[in-house]
Amino acid sequence: AQSVTQLGSHVSVSEGALVLLRCNYSSSVPPYLFWYVQYPNQGLQLLLKYTTGATLVKGINGFEAEFKKSETSFHLTKPSAHMSDAAEYFCAVSDRDTGRRALTFGSGTRLQVQP
Amino acid sequence: DTGVSQDPRHKITKRGQNVTFRCDPISEHNRLYWYRQTLGQGPEFLTYFQNEAQLEKSRLLSDRFSAERPKGSFSTLEIQRTEQGDSAMYLCASSLSGGANEQFFGPGTRLTVL
Repeated sequence: AQSVTQLGSHVSVSEGALVLLRCNYSSSVPPYLFWYVQYPNQGLQLLLKYTTGATLVKGINGFEAEFKKSETSFHLTKPSAHMSDAAEYFCAVSDRDTGRRALTFGSGTRLQVQP
Repeated sequence: DTGVSQDPRHKITKRGQNVTFRCDPISEHNRLYWYRQTLGQGPEFLTYFQNEAQLEKSRLLSDRFSAERPKGSFSTLEIQRTEQGDSAMYLCASSLSGGANEQFFGPGTRLTVL
């Protein structure tokens, strides 16, 4: 079964600093990869996804992520944090080879942005 | 279309009672998913429908849980004889079928079982 590991349940950065949120997946066949953001008491919003092609994917709000097959990773970055980025971030995968489309999520990383 | 909607947003119930949640997906989406999210965790898949057919159920979905999507539009999730361990956020999502189509999530229903 698929699993997703997000290193660091809490990450704190200063406003304007680089944001790096880590995600690793377990499957031998690279899955479809997603990053979602969740603000308090709200549903999840897609930031970006990787399906095929260019391994550096750009998303909304200045976020991007790079798929590295050799490292089974899909880390999320943003060059300069903004206070409004404070939220919970979830990495998720779905199977590429079985057609199963249910998402498997990591346990999430809460991002704090300090003024 | 304003996105996926869920009703109610909050539900408080006593142990042993039955509860039902509703999800209205984005109108042109033929896939509908239910997830459960407990505090400090990522969402966990419960079940999904393509049109009115329930195609997959997680082992998390005990026999106290039942989901329907009678006409391939809205869906309901019923929990019978609720237990305190059922307290969680129940999220609904919808998508188009095919490929790695984005799942759009609703705001969730927060269930508290006393």
